[in-house]
Amino acid sequence: SQQGEEDPQALSIQEGENATMNCSYKTSINNLQWYRQNSGRGLVHLILIRSNEREKHSGRLRVTLDTSKKSSSLLITASRAADTASYFCATARYSGGGADGLTFGKGTHLIIQP
Amino acid sequence: EPEVTQTPSHQVTQMGQEVILRCVPISNHLYFYWYRQILGQKVEFLVSFYNNEISEKSEIFDDQFSVERPDGSNFTLKIRSTKLEDSAMYFCASKESPVLDTQYFGPGTRLTVL
Repeated sequence: SQQGEEDPQALSIQEGENATMNCSYKTSINNLQWYRQNSGRGLVHLILIRSNEREKHSGRLRVTLDTSKKSSSLLITASRAADTASYFCATARYSGGGADGLTFGKGTHLIIQP
Repeated sequence: EPEVTQTPSHQVTQMGQEVILRCVPISNHLYFYWYRQILGQKVEFLVSFYNNEISEKSEIFDDQFSVERPDGSNFTLKIRSTKLEDSAMYFCASKESPVLDTQYFGPGTRLTVL
């Protein structure tokens, strides 16, 4: 089954506008994390939200989690050209051991037009 | 700020050759991971490592792959006999504890198999 599927696949907005990306998943999770990847570069952790949390903020980022719908959204407010990147959600199961690998979605490619 | 480092940044090898990818996780972290990302595709979990042994591995991580923590700082991924389809970006990640779930990723090693 597909886990951590983002939509849209690509999003182009004007600088200053808000960008919203969505992520859906299929299995039970312990937490969901959002990462950013600039072209050809490494993954930068943005924010983690636990399964018992509904909303979390970090600077211009706002993440929501709806475990009943198995979905999450990432909102970037007041976008900047430097926000141009691919954004991935990644889910972690809970197995008790603490060493679970993350399951990534295909990502949303965000382009901020100056 | 501490970060995960990986060497080399780019490795080119001939099909059938062995390669070793190296990672230095963040120093007080206990959990270590390898992921790969084939060009244009999603990031895929390969293996997790804790307490000097493999905790979890995906179906991708077959007998051609092995991991090792040869000393107190390095974490390596070995591919015994590379195939064309092993060409990908390989990311190392580390996590501090079972409670602190954020995984921090290195910049990646781009492996090209000719």
